[in-house]
Amino acid sequence: GAVVSQHPSRVICKSGTSVKIECRSLDFQATTMFWYRQFPKQSLMLMATSNEGSKATYEQGVEKDKFLINHASLTLSTLTVTSAHPEDSSFYICSAREIQNNEQFFGPGTRLTVL
Amino acid sequence: SQELEQSPQSLIVQEGKNLTINCTSSKTLYGLYWYKQKYGEGLIFLMMLQKGGEEKSHEKITAKLDEKKQQSSLHITASQPSHAGIYLCGADRTGTASKLTFGTGTRLQVTL
Repeated sequence: GAVVSQHPSRVICKSGTSVKIECRSLDFQATTMFWYRQFPKQSLMLMATSNEGSKATYEQGVEKDKFLINHASLTLSTLTVTSAHPEDSSFYICSAREIQNNEQFFGPGTRLTVL
Repeated sequence: SQELEQSPQSLIVQEGKNLTINCTSSKTLYGLYWYKQKYGEGLIFLMMLQKGGEEKSHEKITAKLDEKKQQSSLHITASQPSHAGIYLCGADRTGTASKLTFGTGTRLQVTL
């Protein structure tokens, strides 16, 4: 099956700093990638849809100026958490949709801890 | 209200036993995805169902989507410790396989 990678897998940062998370589709092209957030013992919540070459679409309640998304190529999307605060601590997971059969493949996730 | 409900929330079965996890939607779906997640890790794609009455199998896991496309079940035959994890169903409500709405998950433990 298709492989999606995320980097870093784990990051700890100080409050007020910005953190960038990368999501890559390794063996297929993805015009659309998705960013999810998962709090402990909860399900995944979609944050935004990342479209290659255009602006991301954010879900209601997600601040676009705080969670910057860039989808610069067909294999890479980045999520930047700006001015991170402890409440932003969470597990961030990206997914990429394979064009041919509409299957979504997920990355291994990035655990963000903001001190 | 929860639009996509999974049951049971957690399940403990003895190795070798069969089990079924259900996913019910309040609305008709265009597609239903099943994933497996180990705690703190990403999701592993299991199966995607799009047609009413569709059934797919992979190794010891079988997933079905009802004719009305509102309910899906995931059945594991002769469970093994490697089946342990969190099973999530994801619903495609738009027909574009874009936004997925996830259920709350079912935590499966397999005892020896």
